[in-house]
Amino acid sequence: DADVTQTPRNRITKTGKRIMLECSQTKGHDRMYWYRQDPGLGLRLIYYSFDVKDINKGEISDGYSVSRQAQAKFSLSLESAIPNQTALYFCATGGQDYGYTFGSGTRLTVV
Amino acid sequence: GEDVEQSLFLSVREGDSSVINCTYTDSSSTYLYWYKQEPGAGLQLLTYIFSNMDMKQDQRLTVLLNKKDKHLSLRIADTQTGDSAIYFCAETPGDRLAFGKGNQVVVIP
Repeated sequence: DADVTQTPRNRITKTGKRIMLECSQTKGHDRMYWYRQDPGLGLRLIYYSFDVKDINKGEISDGYSVSRQAQAKFSLSLESAIPNQTALYFCATGGQDYGYTFGSGTRLTVV
Repeated sequence: GEDVEQSLFLSVREGDSSVINCTYTDSSSTYLYWYKQEPGAGLQLLTYIFSNMDMKQDQRLTVLLNKKDKHLSLRIADTQTGDSAIYFCAETPGDRLAFGKGNQVVVIP
């Protein structure tokens, strides 16, 4: 099994729908992150969590929410999806002392 | 990624050396990283350098760090077609990864 698993791998959804992207990790790290990748813009941080009771906004949190259900699980929600949220989303876990591990990504298309 | 700057595109002939540059802003980053993303794939950690080092060599990869100028570079020797990818540098402000916009490297056979 992968260290960081993201589901679904691909998703097409309609404008206005609520959608949840899920992430689970088996690394045993407290810290988890959600990033969004757009062509030419690199990866931008949406939300991050340093432990189960800690949630922090990243640089582009508007339109997104997160839930840290357990140390191993960190989900990202789009309450009302819009087309400019079409992107590749990555979940990661780790920190400077032990490195960062990324999931394979979720490709989301909002039509 | 607005605090980490990278140039966007590099074309190189197979067998030549590639050099990718990056300027970062966070002087407190303990480590600085290079990630590779092949077409349609996720992110792969390529190498990293500890902030108290000036240089790190790992097989065909050489990382140079100039802390005074906050400049990081990655040199790939004997570039192969499998090196065609997007390369991201990243700093770690507050123990979070902050990425540059990426540099696409195209290797011409």
